[in-house]
Amino acid sequence: DVKVTQSSRYLVKRTGEKVFLECVQDMDHENMFWYRQDPGLGLRLIYFSYDVKMKEKGDIPEGYSVSREKKERFSLILESASTNQTSMYLCASSLHPVRPGEQFFGPGTRLTVL
Amino acid sequence: GENVEQHPSTLSVQEGDSAVIKCTYSDSASNYFPWYKQELGKRPQLIIDIRSNVGEKKDQRIAVTLNKTAKHFSLHITETQPEDSAVYFCAASIKTGNQFYFGTGTSLTVIP
Repeated sequence: DVKVTQSSRYLVKRTGEKVFLECVQDMDHENMFWYRQDPGLGLRLIYFSYDVKMKEKGDIPEGYSVSREKKERFSLILESASTNQTSMYLCASSLHPVRPGEQFFGPGTRLTVL
Repeated sequence: GENVEQHPSTLSVQEGDSAVIKCTYSDSASNYFPWYKQELGKRPQLIIDIRSNVGEKKDQRIAVTLNKTAKHFSLHITETQPEDSAVYFCAASIKTGNQFYFGTGTSLTVIP
């Protein structure tokens, strides 16, 4: 049973703070993804990674960076949090590096930036 | 890049009726089309998917159809039950990529 976990369910930060969101998967998946979910906008891809130390920009990478030092862990970093980054952040992982397949999601982190 | 549109944004049906959610995509290279269900406060979970070499797939009360020529795919839920109430997302993925492009979601309410 695939398990994707995220470090926090709820997080409150102040404008300008550096924020780290951590995601861990335990099924040796190659691919990992970070999305943000906003009402009426669906899930939008921020960054993804198909291998350790590899990263690719998604549709909305501005204001974010990522780190993948180990296969099981994918971190999302907000260098200087802003109020428009208040959102639900979802991490996901999938097995195959090339052939699209099911993405397994974490429980989400609801981030509020004051 | 790919653009996925999803309709309707909200849908209410009586218990026992059918529900249909439609999505269109723009990139003819897309070849994998999953549907996710997200219950309130929970993570999205895959309920059914279809690849471009198949026109229809069914799993009990849920079916997905794909029309590659028209670039649209639909989710059909028959004999709806209150536990089907959730937000449903369609997505498309292109052949050589790992990215999913999600629709904006449909909030389905099944009225007992």
